[in-house]
Amino acid sequence: DQQVKQNSPSLSVQEGRISILNCDYTNSMFDYFLWYKKYPAEGPTFLISISSIKDKNEDGRFTVFLNKSAKHLSLHIVPSQPGDSAVYFCAASGGYSGAGSYQLTFGKGTKLSVIP
Amino acid sequence: SQTIHQWPATLVQPVGSPLSLECTVEGTSNPNLYWYRQAAGRGLQLLFYSVGIGQISSEVPQNLSASRPQDRQFILSSKKLLLSDSGFYLCAWSSRGQGYWPQHFGDGTRLSIL
Repeated sequence: DQQVKQNSPSLSVQEGRISILNCDYTNSMFDYFLWYKKYPAEGPTFLISISSIKDKNEDGRFTVFLNKSAKHLSLHIVPSQPGDSAVYFCAASGGYSGAGSYQLTFGKGTKLSVIP
Repeated sequence: SQTIHQWPATLVQPVGSPLSLECTVEGTSNPNLYWYRQAAGRGLQLLFYSVGIGQISSEVPQNLSASRPQDRQFILSSKKLLLSDSGFYLCAWSSRGQGYWPQHFGDGTRLSIL
């Protein structure tokens, strides 16, 4: 059962345009969502997060939108740059375990290619 | 700033051999620590997490074990590797405390079992 789904395995965008990466989830208990970027041969790098009490969080060129009723979140990158080319993972969590630790459930990723 | 180190980056081991992967965190104290695995064609799966020295919680019963001998050191071990243990292993840390704090990942170890 895949609780976090990224239905687009790949996306190509022209440099300077907006990149929109989408993520759907099925577990209504999820209340914290994150986006990670991953380059080949490296671990995922944290980009931006959002808690379920918000519907938008912005950090520079990156904005995450959360639609709880649709169980959908998206990452907008504006403007897109060639250095943004990477695999982007959506992740979600639904509650603490102990001392603030929590389990992340990841999507399978979307490969973004930004064309110069 | 905080950094997380994992080694080795790549490892090829025969079936039945032991395993020890190490992860250390710098620049923070009392972190929560995690081990994840990504098998071929699958998403990241949480294996173990730790909220303190000697405190290990297992999410998936398997051939692996974890230990936390020091505050910022997390070790993943196996006494006898199986073919199914092949994959990409990632260590992560997060700050401790109320509320959610992002998990930050190391660069991972690619483990191939022959």
